[in-house]
Amino acid sequence: DAGITQSPRHKVTETGTPVTLRCHQTENHRYMYWYRQDPGHGLRLIHYSYGVKDTDKGEVSDGYSVSRSKTEDFLLTLESATSSQTSVYFCAISESGGAARNQPQHFGDGTRLSIL
Amino acid sequence: SQKIEQNSEALNIQEGKTATLTCNYTNYSPAYLQWYRQDPGRGPVFLLLIRENEKEKRKERLKVTFDTTLKQSLFHITASQPADSATYLCALDVAAGNKLTFGGGTRVLVKP
Repeated sequence: DAGITQSPRHKVTETGTPVTLRCHQTENHRYMYWYRQDPGHGLRLIHYSYGVKDTDKGEVSDGYSVSRSKTEDFLLTLESATSSQTSVYFCAISESGGAARNQPQHFGDGTRLSIL
Repeated sequence: SQKIEQNSEALNIQEGKTATLTCNYTNYSPAYLQWYRQDPGRGPVFLLLIRENEKEKRKERLKVTFDTTLKQSLFHITASQPADSATYLCALDVAAGNKLTFGGGTRVLVKP
């Protein structure tokens, strides 16, 4: 299994509070991704990173920010959590992107986030 | 708008039979398509990748076809086993950066 660790695995918090989810990889892969998975919507890309300090928005980026200060860590922050952000969040990594687009993504086991 | 459709209804199948799943897409011209397996409470796991110039790809009991004219991929599990019970997701490349767009997945239940 690819070395991907997500933390925390479960979190319950209140509306309006800041939340940070962490993804840590030991594979030295260049690309990292944050997805959310909701019933009826499948996996949707929030943000991704193509290198240290290089990030870009995905399909559902509103209300989320990311940071990548080291190759191995990719943080997802909800500045002021809302109930609509209750979801399961997955981090993924891939070896390359750019011209070599056909690389599989390897996923962590997710963070279940509930915002009350 | 771009859209990927997988049968949202669960597929119930008897052990030993072949399960066939469909992935249809519109308004895409993907260079490749991937299939993933997801078990409850776990992240998706990569299974197979097929490129636009490939008609068919096999891996053990799995077979994937890719018809860019029909805009469809079929995913077959032959000689299905109860351990094959899971949700299967298809994903298409969207743009550079290895960004993928996923279908909603089809749940497969293999009964002994």
